[in-house]
Amino acid sequence: GESVGLHLPTLSVQEGDNSIINCAYSNSASDYFIWYKQESGKGPQFIIDIRSNMDKRQGQRVTVLLNKTVKHLSLQIAATQPGDSAVYFCAETGRGSSNTGKLIFGQGTTLQVKP
Amino acid sequence: DTAVSQTPKYLVTQMGNDKSIKCEQNLGHDTMYWYKQDSKKFLKIMFSYNNKELIINETVPNRFSPKSPDKAHLNLHINSLELGDSAVYFCASSHGNTGYTFGSGTRLTVV
Repeated sequence: GESVGLHLPTLSVQEGDNSIINCAYSNSASDYFIWYKQESGKGPQFIIDIRSNMDKRQGQRVTVLLNKTVKHLSLQIAATQPGDSAVYFCAETGRGSSNTGKLIFGQGTTLQVKP
Repeated sequence: DTAVSQTPKYLVTQMGNDKSIKCEQNLGHDTMYWYKQDSKKFLKIMFSYNNKELIINETVPNRFSPKSPDKAHLNLHINSLELGDSAVYFCASSHGNTGYTFGSGTRLTVV
């Protein structure tokens, strides 16, 4: 079945360091991936996305890497700040019979930034 | 203006009651969704509507009934509430396969 998973439930980093959050997916038909940030008491907020025809995409302080060979996705946050503390989710949506627009979410990684 | 707004933000109710959660989006999106987030933060889709038509129903008990009066609104009605229904419910919208935007959630507590 389809699943999207994250390797670590909690990541603790020092302020100013770079953070890397990983995600594995199992659906080889997945063609669109999104990273979301969820702060306490709020809904998931879009961070960055990537389509399967790319292997890297950069935003402001964030980079998403996609390795289709091993079905792995990562989110890199440069110079992590206290405001980056949140739960991070990867999500995917795929083509074909699964292309109903639904997002399949991973379990979430809690990022804790130490001052 | 809030892009996807849902009400109420908090809902505490007794077992057996019937309750509704409302959602509205002003993004002009054609697809709206309901997701459920459990106590372990896992997000799972429940329903999806495209231009008022139901396109996803993910084995949700039929006590849950979504209703979409127009493509900007998707409400969720829950009958005979059970303790296990306690969760945070998120409304979301998208334009086809892009632009997914989530509301701020409704925390439902069944006592």
